[in-house]
Amino acid sequence: AQTVTQSQPEMSVQEAETVTLSCTYDTSENNYYLFWYKQPPSRQMILVIRQEAYKQQNATENRFSVNFQKAAKSFSLKISDSQLGDTAMYFCAFNSGGSNYKLTFGKGTLLTVNP
Amino acid sequence: KAGVTQTPRYLIKTRGQQVTLSCSPISGHRSVSWYQQTPGQGLQFLFEYFSETQRNKGNFPGRFSGRQFSNSRSEMNVSTLELGDSALYLCASSLDVLETQYFGPGTRLLVL
Repeated sequence: AQTVTQSQPEMSVQEAETVTLSCTYDTSENNYYLFWYKQPPSRQMILVIRQEAYKQQNATENRFSVNFQKAAKSFSLKISDSQLGDTAMYFCAFNSGGSNYKLTFGKGTLLTVNP
Repeated sequence: KAGVTQTPRYLIKTRGQQVTLSCSPISGHRSVSWYQQTPGQGLQFLFEYFSETQRNKGNFPGRFSGRQFSNSRSEMNVSTLELGDSALYLCASSLDVLETQYFGPGTRLLVL
């Protein structure tokens, strides 16, 4: 069974600083997809970034980037120049398709950006 | 394009009742997935539909069921509600399941 582990239940960062959220996963699949989703307080879940396992290059979306280490099964999210609006629960998620047809989520990391 | 919509947004039910939740996917998306979100268990997969066929089901009792219509809209039904069914129910749609899933705002169900 695939599992996703986020070892940091809560983190905080000062505005304009950089923070890294950790995620590890376990799978025997070779082809899969990894995601970071953001869920602000009482608001909708939105996609932050997506990484295909067959791509060696780390995905980047503006201030958000990932460090994907396939051999170590690690997928961390780096947020640069943190903004107050980045305060949210961040979920790491895994999808391998095949017969699974589902996203498997970690427990989440609550990130608070302080002014 | 309009995003994923879910109705109703809030529901209060009593134990033993049944409830039907609705999800309208993004236009052109044929895959619809449902998730239950609770503080204790986090996000758990309920089921996934593609072209009216259920392709996968999570580890939930048979009281949880769903269906998808020819226009890709989906409904999920929970019968004989229990207190533990109180949760945020999220619907997500995608072109296919390996594509990025886009989430709706959720339906918050409270069972008293």
